[in-house]
Amino acid sequence: GAVVSQHPSRVICKSGTSVKIECRSLDFQATTMFWYRQFPKQSLMLMATSNEGSKATYEQGVEKDKFLINHASLTLSTLTVTSAHPEDSSFYICSAKREGMDTQYFGPGTRLTVL
Amino acid sequence: GENVEQHPSTLSVQEGDSAVIKCTYSDSASNYFPWYKQELGKGPQLIIDIRSNVGEKKDQRIAVTLNKTAKHFSLHITETQPEDSAVYFCAASGYSTLTFGKGTMLLVSP
Repeated sequence: GAVVSQHPSRVICKSGTSVKIECRSLDFQATTMFWYRQFPKQSLMLMATSNEGSKATYEQGVEKDKFLINHASLTLSTLTVTSAHPEDSSFYICSAKREGMDTQYFGPGTRLTVL
Repeated sequence: GENVEQHPSTLSVQEGDSAVIKCTYSDSASNYFPWYKQELGKGPQLIIDIRSNVGEKKDQRIAVTLNKTAKHFSLHITETQPEDSAVYFCAASGYSTLTFGKGTMLLVSP
């Protein structure tokens, strides 16, 4: 199998606080993980690509100081939304893939609500 | 960069009918085309994929066709069931990252 988990599934926080979301590949080693953002009734927008042990590559328009990504091991990547504001409220989804393979396996997503 | 167009945005069918969703891509270097199913509040689930060296692939009621010359690929679902109701996304990839279409909401009525 190829199972990807995310934690938490839902988080509500106050404006100005930071939130960390974890993405884990449970039964395979993920050399590359991806972070997406999805607004209601819209498609997935790639935020950044992270390779284990390297700095993340951010897509144009994504603030790297606001969305901190760490990929410290072959099974774990984290996304930290710093100084969150209501406009950061969204559905955040990670995906992971094995080295040399094309297929991305997605996590179940994290619903972030910033009050 | 890559651009993926997906049609239709909404598709309503009766249970047992077939459903077809079409996508076009712009970058001739793209060589991997997955399809994902996303249910409300959940992450996308891979249902089938195809690579550019293959023209068609089937898995039970689901099939995907690829026309590299025209840069078209399509998802075909036969004998639709109410549990097929979801949003379906096509995607194209040539350099590791995926570019997604805007999605098709499939509604299967009993």
